[in-house]
Amino acid sequence: DARVTQTPRHKVTEMGQEVTMRCQPILGHNTVFWYRQTMMQGLELLAYFRNRAPLDDSGMPKDRFSAEMPDATLATLKIQPSEPRDSAVYFCASGLAAGTGARYEQFFGPGTRLTVL
Amino acid sequence: GDSVTQMEGPVTLSEEAFLTINCTYTATGYPSLFWYVQYPGEGLQLLLKATKADDKGSNKGFEATYRKETTSFHLEKGSVQVSDSAVYFCALSDRGNDYKLSFGAGTTVTVRA
Repeated sequence: DARVTQTPRHKVTEMGQEVTMRCQPILGHNTVFWYRQTMMQGLELLAYFRNRAPLDDSGMPKDRFSAEMPDATLATLKIQPSEPRDSAVYFCASGLAAGTGARYEQFFGPGTRLTVL
Repeated sequence: GDSVTQMEGPVTLSEEAFLTINCTYTATGYPSLFWYVQYPGEGLQLLLKATKADDKGSNKGFEATYRKETTSFHLEKGSVQVSDSAVYFCALSDRGNDYKLSFGAGTTVTVRA
């Protein structure tokens, strides 16, 4: 049963600390998304990658957030320095885009619940 | 741009009641429509989908029909169970937006025994 996995599931840290969240997409998927979920803003797309290349990171605060895909099996989202307003659940999702303009579905991981004190 | 508007919650129902969650959309192209469900403490799971007008998506007793004329995709279930308590998200994806998902705000449903 192929799934997106995320680590850690929960993270509590203090303001100013660096936070790194990891995602393992479903094997063979070429598109990876990072979302943030808060009560106030709902689900927001932060960034997404195709074939490990960033396609859009306009939803991400550039000064403190960074997203990378070191290889096809790992995506990372880093916050440095973290702030209390970053407290949220961060979801990773993956999908297989088979060609230009081809429909694809997204499969979500269980999320990382981040609390910044 | 693309957007999704869904019925605000929370919604509280008794077991075996009928559930409807309204969803309307705005899209520049011809979108695919989805309902995702999020159970407490978990990620989003695809509940059902429809990719063209008049398609009906169905799963676990839930149904939704893609209505292009009213730009709607309302979710229905005839008899809810306590286990259906969750947050439900309507979403769309569009070729013009590289099939990125645009989500509604989510509707929290609580089913009482």
